[in-house]
Amino acid sequence: QVQLVESGGGVVQPGRSLRLSCTGSGFSFRSFGMHWVRQPPGKGLEWLAVISAAGNKKYYADSVKGRFTISRDNAKNTLFLQVNSLRGEDTAVYYCAKDSETAAASWWGQGTLVTVSS
Amino acid sequence: QSALTQPASVSGSPGQSITISCTGTSTDVGGYNHVSWYQQHPGKAPKLLIFDVSDRPSGISDRFSGSKSGNTASLTISGLQAEDEADYYCSSYTTSSTRVFGTGTKVTVL
Repeated sequence: QVQLVESGGGVVQPGRSLRLSCTGSGFSFRSFGMHWVRQPPGKGLEWLAVISAAGNKKYYADSVKGRFTISRDNAKNTLFLQVNSLRGEDTAVYYCAKDSETAAASWWGQGTLVTVSS
Repeated sequence: QSALTQPASVSGSPGQSITISCTGTSTDVGGYNHVSWYQQHPGKAPKLLIFDVSDRPSGISDRFSGSKSGNTASLTISGLQAEDEADYYCSSYTTSSTRVFGTGTKVTVL
């Protein structure tokens, strides 16, 4: 069974950095692209970034380009999101999701909450 | 990369059919058939309902169906049930190889 488990969230001060992780199991992690999506409390979904299966292609939402970096370690079945210069508006649940051949996010983790507060 | 436009809320009685619209542009919904729909219950992760405009993943009820015309995609829920009360989001592939989500629709079963 496909399983995605995010970690690394917590309370962080404005201006600091954070690295989120997502560990996949139950599927061939190295064969699929992966997404990061976030959801501020009480608000809608915002797509952030996608990385190809091999890790050589990365695409970002304009809103986070230059401040967020997506990466992966296929040997460890792990996806990462480096988030720099955190702001209050970055407070959200961050989800990782498995990509598919049809560009849909076919499976989602349960999310990790990031709270930016002094 | 503006969010796709969805109605904020849609409601219906048990057994009825409802339709949720998702309007984008020629650079996303209108330009590709990679439109997907997700269901999200409170406190839960989103779940894929529809991919490629109208295809359902294994295990998804055929009460859920999708379509597209021009820059607008639609999700129809037939035979509305209490368990269908949730938030629904559309998403599309874009010309920049990115994805974009809709603004979300809250479905209420009366």
